[in-house]
Amino acid sequence: GQQLNQSPQSMFIQEGEDVSMNCTSSSIFNTWLWYKQEPGEGPVLLIALYKAGELTSNGRLTAQFGITRKDSFLNISASIPSDVGIYFCAGQQAGGFKTIFGAGTRLFVKA
Amino acid sequence: SAVISQKPSRDICQRGTSLTIQCQVDSQVTMMFWYRQQPGQSLTLIATANQGSEATYESGFVIDKFPISRPNLTFSTLTVSNMSPEDSSIYLCSVVGDFSETQYFGPGTRLLVL
Repeated sequence: GQQLNQSPQSMFIQEGEDVSMNCTSSSIFNTWLWYKQEPGEGPVLLIALYKAGELTSNGRLTAQFGITRKDSFLNISASIPSDVGIYFCAGQQAGGFKTIFGAGTRLFVKA
Repeated sequence: SAVISQKPSRDICQRGTSLTIQCQVDSQVTMMFWYRQQPGQSLTLIATANQGSEATYESGFVIDKFPISRPNLTFSTLTVSNMSPEDSSIYLCSVVGDFSETQYFGPGTRLLVL
């Protein structure tokens, strides 16, 4: 089946550092979504991308929809302890809302 | 964005029993979905809840095990039937709004089967 390859699997960083994670696929997607999930909560939408090449920011977060439509990245600048959580990328293809999720990137931030 | 609530938020159940999880949205939504998230794993789509008709199940999930209802545009239930310890997971309701193609998630129901 279709898969999203999300990397890295986990990251251990120091507060203040920048973070980058990405998702790639062999399939083309029309929409890329980035979610954050904290312990005991459901995933919360961070950024939605709808066009190839689109670069969108949400505070310290920046995400891009790859030109090939097969990849996306998420950057977090100047990380803080509350950035800790699991970040999921997700892709949607044309004609439906069957969202496919990456395996997640577990972010740990040391103060 | 839609506000989604789920009941119960968590439960501990005995094997062989069934649990019904409710999902309520504060506005009418086009599509509702049920996902499962096993411990330490990503999200897996169980089914699309269709208003007034049978849900559409993904490969590996069947109606007898996960019956779903969606009587209107703001409410859906998922039942986990004849539970076994392998059903211990987080079950998440998700929606796509009428005016947005963006997908939102409820807080999840944490199920532990003993």
